[in-house]
Amino acid sequence: AQSVTQPDIHITVSEGASLELRCNYSYGATPYLFWYVQSPGQGLQLLLKYFSGDTLVQGIKGFEAEFKRSQSSFNLRKPSVHWSDAAEYFCAVAALYNQGGKLIFGQGTELSVKP
Amino acid sequence: SQTIHQWPATLVQPVGSPLSLECTVEGTSNPNLYWYRQAAGRGLQLLFYSVGIGQISSEVPQNLSASRPQDRQFILSSKKLLLSDSGFYLCAWRGQYTEAFFGQGTRLTVV
Repeated sequence: AQSVTQPDIHITVSEGASLELRCNYSYGATPYLFWYVQSPGQGLQLLLKYFSGDTLVQGIKGFEAEFKRSQSSFNLRKPSVHWSDAAEYFCAVAALYNQGGKLIFGQGTELSVKP
Repeated sequence: SQTIHQWPATLVQPVGSPLSLECTVEGTSNPNLYWYRQAAGRGLQLLFYSVGIGQISSEVPQNLSASRPQDRQFILSSKKLLLSDSGFYLCAWRGQYTEAFFGQGTRLTVV
C-alpha cells in the first residue's frame, strides 16, 4: 500500500534562511508526487508536482523539489524563506488514475518563520 | 478553466442531526472526485472517491456516506452526526494527467 512520511511535524526557520522539508514515500510503481501548501482554514494549493522526466522540479513561489528514487524521497527546498511562507506543507503520492488516482498525504509539516 | 465549488464554508450541527455537503466541478468532464477530512493538527484522510456516476469507493468505515448523482457533483452525507465527525472537509477533483484540485473546504462542528 502506498504511504507518505513527513518526519518533521513542525519546523521553525529565520526569514531569509534556507528551507528543506523532508518527504519519504512508499509506492510499488513509478510515483506521481506532489507538494501542497495550506494556509489556516483554507484549501490546498499546489506548489509543484513530479510525473516523470527531470528529477529536479521547479514550482511556484520559488520552491523546488528533487525526486530521488533510490531514497524514495521527494524533499522540498527553498533557498530563502519569506515570512509569508509560514503555513502547513503536505507531501502526497498518487495512485494510478485508472485505479482511482487517489492522493495519499503525509501528516504535514507546519512551518513557522522567525523575523 | 476548471473550478470547484464546495459549500457551505462553515456548519454547526447538533449531535444526531443529518448532514449534506455538496461539491460541484466546472470546466471538466468525467473527473475523479474525492472527499477528504482533516482533523485538527492532523493530515488529510481520504474518506471516499468516485471514478464515475454512481461509483463510490469508501476508504474508511464510518458514519458517513457519499453519492455522485451527476458527473460533476459529489455529495457527502450522514444520517446522524457524531461528535467525532467534526473536522475540516475538503472536496477535490483530478483529471488523468493532472494534480488534484481542492475546494475551499467546509468547517463542520458537531455540538
